[in-house]
Amino acid sequence: DAKTTQPPSMDCAEGRAANLPCNHSTISGNEYVYWYRQIHSQGPQYIIHGLKNNETNEMASLIITEDRKSSTLILPHATLRDTAVYYCIVRDRGSTLGRLYFGRGTQLTVWP
Amino acid sequence: EPEVTQTPSHQVTQMGQEVILRCVPISNHLYFYWYRQILGQKVEFLVSFYNNEISEKSEIFDDQFSVERPDGSNFTLKIRSTKLEDSAMYFCASTPPGTAGSNEQFFGPGTRLTVL
Repeated sequence: DAKTTQPPSMDCAEGRAANLPCNHSTISGNEYVYWYRQIHSQGPQYIIHGLKNNETNEMASLIITEDRKSSTLILPHATLRDTAVYYCIVRDRGSTLGRLYFGRGTQLTVWP
Repeated sequence: EPEVTQTPSHQVTQMGQEVILRCVPISNHLYFYWYRQILGQKVEFLVSFYNNEISEKSEIFDDQFSVERPDGSNFTLKIRSTKLEDSAMYFCASTPPGTAGSNEQFFGPGTRLTVL
């Protein structure tokens, strides 16, 4: 089952930073925080993941609090194509099975 | 950039018929998955597959479902006798070698199954 809490919806102006929060207060030391997104009816797309350090790639930045109980996904310059449902998922790094538990996610709407 | 492909994009079938959904995972990947998403609902895990056998399955994956990797490239999901409630988007995913729990999953575009 999903172990994360996310707001159901957010919006953001095009060109501005989108900051998507996620609470994962029961996260254990072996669990990564993953972010995926799903653009309308397409397959989920991996964005980024982290364990305890902040991470950045070409798509986004991930800020994880020191106690690891929450994180924020940052899209630095949101575009209309970033409109999607964003899923925050915690996942055991030692798992050999690797199933993903998707919650409801956050519907991000980027407006012109 | 390599990607997961799925065929067909849309499958319409009559209740009680068998369907086979096909996936071609990324070529060097070793872990394979099926998920489904009923319209307006969450993405749900069905089954994971590794080394030619099922690693894990959810309660959704009952005796009507089966998976197979018939050759070195295809990964199929068969529904033996479809029900109306099987109507959903079905997503295939694959993961590269290494610990599956720490690797990203690459998803295909999905097959929309409509059972009439």
